[in-house]
Amino acid sequence: EPEVTQTPSHQVTQMGQEVILRCVPISNHLYFYWYRQILGQKVEFLVSFYNNEISEKSEIFDDQFSVERPDGSNFTLKIRSTKLEDSAMYFCASSERPSGSSYNEQFFGPGTRLTVL
Amino acid sequence: AQKITQTQPGMFVQEKEAVTLDCTYDTSDQSYGLFWYKQPSSGEMIFLIYQGSYDEQNATEGRYSLNFQKARKSANLVISASQLGDSAMYFCAMRGAGGTSYGKLTFGQGTILTVHP
Repeated sequence: EPEVTQTPSHQVTQMGQEVILRCVPISNHLYFYWYRQILGQKVEFLVSFYNNEISEKSEIFDDQFSVERPDGSNFTLKIRSTKLEDSAMYFCASSERPSGSSYNEQFFGPGTRLTVL
Repeated sequence: AQKITQTQPGMFVQEKEAVTLDCTYDTSDQSYGLFWYKQPSSGEMIFLIYQGSYDEQNATEGRYSLNFQKARKSANLVISASQLGDSAMYFCAMRGAGGTSYGKLTFGQGTILTVHP
């Protein structure tokens, strides 16, 4: 069964450093998402991406964040200068279509746990 | 704006009993989708069940069913015959339709379910 994969599973970094979180969405999916979950809290939407551009982003997704689909298979989230409060689980998700159909599941990857020291 | 509310921070159930996890939502969209995800202690997000706003029948998937009451804006998850492996965090989520919403999910705060032997 196709699945979304994410690497690394755990990333530890120093405050102020840049990190890149990687995701490989399901191959025939066209819509990609990043979410984050601070420990013990709810899952929050960061950004959606379609047709090689950001389609929607939340207020969390400030100038420190960027996304890219560099090679047609990978989908990356970059945090330019990490802060302590960026420590969280980051989930990538993908779907065939965003909405408008009666059913359209978003498949989640296993997550990357980011720890900022 | 969309909002999901899960008012039960924690629930306990005896093995083999049924349990209902509450979810209420608020949206101005006419068309929307409601999802339930399970998050075990390992952290991954596992899709359980989906209900479309125009679906006349309540969704069912094995031991999971969704008690959808559109007028009350509630979408409660019912787990029948609870098993020890059902112990996890459960999230209710909503996806809007069309417009500028490219399928992002809005999550509730989650309910921790503990199944006792």
